[in-house]
Formats: sequence, structure tokens, C-alpha cells
Amino acid sequence: SQQGEEDPQALSIQEGENATMNCSYKTSINNLQWYRQNSGRGLVHLILIRSNEREKHSGRLRVTLDTSKKSSSLLITASRAADTASYFCATDSSNDYKLSFGAGTTVTVRA
Amino acid sequence: EAQVTQNPRYLITVTGKKLTVTCSQNMNHEYMSWYRQDPGLGLRQIYYSMNVEVTDKGDVPEGYKVSRKEKRNFPLILESPSPNQTSLYFCASSFGGSSTDTQYFGPGTRLTVL
Repeated sequence: SQQGEEDPQALSIQEGENATMNCSYKTSINNLQWYRQNSGRGLVHLILIRSNEREKHSGRLRVTLDTSKKSSSLLITASRAADTASYFCATDSSNDYKLSFGAGTTVTVRA
Repeated sequence: EAQVTQNPRYLITVTGKKLTVTCSQNMNHEYMSWYRQDPGLGLRQIYYSMNVEVTDKGDVPEGYKVSRKEKRNFPLILESPSPNQTSLYFCASSFGGSSTDTQYFGPGTRLTVL
């Protein structure tokens, strides 16, 4: 099954700065989701973006999808210490609606 | 409160000693699945279930069994655990099995097999 790959693996930023992470995938998708995982805990859904959408917003989160480049980005604006977590993209493939998760980007927000 | 619960949260066992990790959800979800999380490998799906009595293999099913006798419960069984099954395990549920459905994750079970 397809798996998205997040980049970078790790990111350290100052509180108040923006954090951007990317997800690349290999084959065409129907949907892509982003999840957050606080240290050692279960994943929490953040946002879903469909293949016919280019951008979605949810609070301080902005997700883009470029199907021509087979990539998505997650932007967290005005980061806070509570945003410290790992972020995962989950993709399906055009002939299979099952989700596969990447290895994640670990974000550390310094106070 | 809508939630997925797992028990135990932490388990240390020895090679070959059968164990069961329970998973229960209170959201009347049809779809349930088990993942393992290992450093650098992300989440890999072990087994999933589309409904009661319907289960299927995920990406890494070897060494695991599951059952779905009731809609709310989806236990993971390791008949003869081995050290390479040391991992962090997550149960998840969703309304359906589609990639548009939000998956709700349990808190995780950290398993160590000596």
C-alpha cells in the first residue's frame, strides 16, 4: 500500500514562528489526511483534503495539495509550545481507499 | 465521552507467552484496526475489520490474530510473542473504512517482549 513521506524528519522553531512540513507520495490519491501525535499518545485527526481541493484552513493550520507534484504541505502559523508533537500525513491510492501513514515530522516549539 | 480504550497500556512479557491487548470503542463505529508504530517506520497496519465477523490482514499481519465478535471490541492476540514484536500498538476506529473517514485512536499499548 502507498505511504506518504514527510519532510523534514524533525523541525525546531521558536514560539510564534511558522512551521511548515511536507508530505510526498508516489501514486495518485483520492484523499489525504493530517494527524498530530503528542509524545507517546494516540494520533488525533487534524484535517482532510480531497484530491480536487488545493487548500484548506482550520484555525492556525493551512494545508495545501499539489496533485501534479504529488505533495502536500501543512503550515502551522504562530506556533505555540503546545504544538510540539509529531505530524503525520496519511494517504490512500486511487484504487484503494485504505489509509497509509508516513513516518512523521517531529516538531519542537521552543519557548 | 467518545473514545477508544486499550488495555493494558504497558506490558512486559517473555517470548512465547500468549497475550491479548483489548480495544473497545463507544462510537458505534463499523471499522476498527490495529497499528504498530516503530521508530522511523511510521504506523503500519496489522489487521482491520470492516464489521462484526469481518476481518482482514493489513501490511504486517504475521504473528498476530484478531477477532471481531462484537461491534465495540477488537482484541489483538499474540499467540507466541517474539522480541521483534516489541513496539507501540494503537487501536483505531472510524465510521467506515474510507480515506475520508476520521480515524480515532486509542492511547496506545507499549509492549516489550524479552
